[in-house]
Amino acid sequence: DAGVIQSPRHEVTEMGQEVTLRCKPISGHNSLFWYRQTMMRGLELLIYFNNNVPIDDSGMPEDRFSAKMPNASFSTLKIQPSEPRDSAVYFCASSSTPLNTEAFFGQGTRLTVV
Amino acid sequence: GESVGLHLPTLSVQEGDNSIINCAYSNSASDYFIWYKQESGKGPQFIIDIRSNMDKRQGQRVTVLLNKTVKHLSLQIAATQPGDSAVYFCALTGGGNKLTFGTGTQLKVEL
Repeated sequence: DAGVIQSPRHEVTEMGQEVTLRCKPISGHNSLFWYRQTMMRGLELLIYFNNNVPIDDSGMPEDRFSAKMPNASFSTLKIQPSEPRDSAVYFCASSSTPLNTEAFFGQGTRLTVV
Repeated sequence: GESVGLHLPTLSVQEGDNSIINCAYSNSASDYFIWYKQESGKGPQFIIDIRSNMDKRQGQRVTVLLNKTVKHLSLQIAATQPGDSAVYFCALTGGGNKLTFGTGTQLKVEL
């Protein structure tokens, strides 16, 4: 298996633009997580899905952020409109256990909003 | 709320020595405590976990110790190698599948 695949690896966009981050989890994994990593705040869980259903989105910073999982093999995280403070590395992770102690992370998307 | 903190932001060790990375936590209700390793430019990678009803668990060259009395978790790496250089995060479960991560400790292995 190729692991969790995220795209793009890098994204530079202007403030106010819409940004869509994509994730393909490991086949067979039933849990998917979106994290954001910054130097100031570390790794923050934004939202997670179980069996394609959003379970907890309390970490989503504001209404500008939205996430979808239309099927078991694909998820998106959208920011609209983007702001400079959204600049961070966004990680997607997936796991096959109910308690995700062993979550597998993708390589991340480095987002820069100018 | 939950909080996870690390005692030292940076730890430098000589190659071949043992490393000990510490973590303090506040959530007594966590079921699992986990260590992740993150190399530069990569996503975090699972190392080892320990269930809350245990106080020690060993893996290959790594040992995790859990002291629930003082809410302290540690990761011991035996015979530290250059490839161990990375940022190490402790994490704990709580509120379902939520994983709360600590701020990380940078481990630097000196030759």
